[in-house]
Amino acid sequence: EVQLLESGGGLLQPGESLRLSCAASGFTFSSYAMTWVRQAPGKGLEWVSTIIGSGAGTYYADSVRGRFTISRDNSKNTLYLQVNRLRAEDTAVYYCAKVLIGWWFDYWGQGTLVTVSS
Amino acid sequence: EIVLAQSPATLSLSPGERATLSCRASQSVGSYLAWYQQKPGQAPRLLIYDASNRATGIPTRFSGSGSGTDFTLTISSLEPEDFAVYYCQHRANWPLTFGGGTTVEI
Repeated sequence: EVQLLESGGGLLQPGESLRLSCAASGFTFSSYAMTWVRQAPGKGLEWVSTIIGSGAGTYYADSVRGRFTISRDNSKNTLYLQVNRLRAEDTAVYYCAKVLIGWWFDYWGQGTLVTVSS
Repeated sequence: EIVLAQSPATLSLSPGERATLSCRASQSVGSYLAWYQQKPGQAPRLLIYDASNRATGIPTRFSGSGSGTDFTLTISSLEPEDFAVYYCQHRANWPLTFGGGTTVEI
């Protein structure tokens, strides 16, 4: 059974940094791209970033490029999102998801909430 | 960036009725479109990918159609558990984007 468990969210002030983690199990982690999608309170879904299985290729939304860094440790079956220079508009639930061939997201974690407020 | 416009914003129907949701892309995405369902407090669930392929375990009452810029998600006969928010997503190029969502309510 595929399981994805996010962690690392919390209440932070503007300008601060944090690292989100997503522990994966139930599939061959290194064989699949992984992605982060976020959802601001009461709003729709926003794709954030995707990393291919080897970690050699990454993609970012314009709204986060230069501030967020996606990475993975295939030896630990874990996906990461380093989030720097947080802004109020980064407040959201951050979901990690497994990527089905074709850049579709077939399994999702339950999300971790990041709140940015002074 | 490809913009996906979903309509209507809200669809009010009764169990047993047919639901027709629309997703229109600002430029052609070929068949590279997916649909997701999200219930309150839950993560999204993949329903349809590549415009018309049902994901694993998705009931046959869900079907997708369309290509180019106009796509439709049809729920043939609404079950109580189908009342939720539905999002479309493209993968034609980067950045990937989602539509704003359609709420199917009772």
